Amino acid sequence: DAGITQSPRHKVTETGTPVTLRCHQTENHRYMYWYRQDPGHGLRLIHYSYGVKDTDKGEVSDGYSVSRSKTEDFLLTLESATSSQTSVYFCATGSGAGGTGELFFGEGSRLTVL
Amino acid sequence: AQSVTQLDSQVPVFEEAPVELRCNYSSSVSVYLFWYVQYPNQGLQLLLKYLSGSTLVESINGFEAEFNKSQTSFHLRKPSVHISDTAEYFCAVSGLPGGSRLTFGEGTQLTVNP
Repeated sequence: DAGITQSPRHKVTETGTPVTLRCHQTENHRYMYWYRQDPGHGLRLIHYSYGVKDTDKGEVSDGYSVSRSKTEDFLLTLESATSSQTSVYFCATGSGAGGTGELFFGEGSRLTVL
Repeated sequence: AQSVTQLDSQVPVFEEAPVELRCNYSSSVSVYLFWYVQYPNQGLQLLLKYLSGSTLVESINGFEAEFNKSQTSFHLRKPSVHISDTAEYFCAVSGLPGGSRLTFGEGTQLTVNP
């Protein structure tokens, strides 16, 4: 299994506060992703990265920013959290073009915005 | 653009019964198809994938899926389910085989009852 750790695993915060979720991988995968999972919506892509300092938006990127200063770390930031951002957030990694297409997922970070 | 539709949000079955989880996709390019499984309080893990070649693909735990290009489907089947198969199953599509953006369906909760 790919070594992917997410922190924190659980967080409760208040509306308007900043929140940063961290994803750390030990597999040297080029691609990293942040998804959110909500009932009835499956997983929706927030942002992804295809290399250090190379990121792009996914389908639900409003209100989120990301940064990747090292291959192994991918940070997701909510600048000013809102109740609609209450969700379970998953980080995933992939080896890139020419690979098997498999994504490896972390165990998720449950965020509650009050 | 690509999209995935999982036709059933919940599928309850009895142990040792057969099951089919339905997935339809739409894409303007050649597709690569995946089924992921999520056990309670865990991240997703790859169950099986279709990249090319034989349209029937199998997993190590008895699931199989068939790529049907004419019907744009990738249904997941198992002839006899176990209690331990209880989980949420996600169908996903990608336009590239590796490290690309997967689009997920909304998920199907399979519940196997004794």
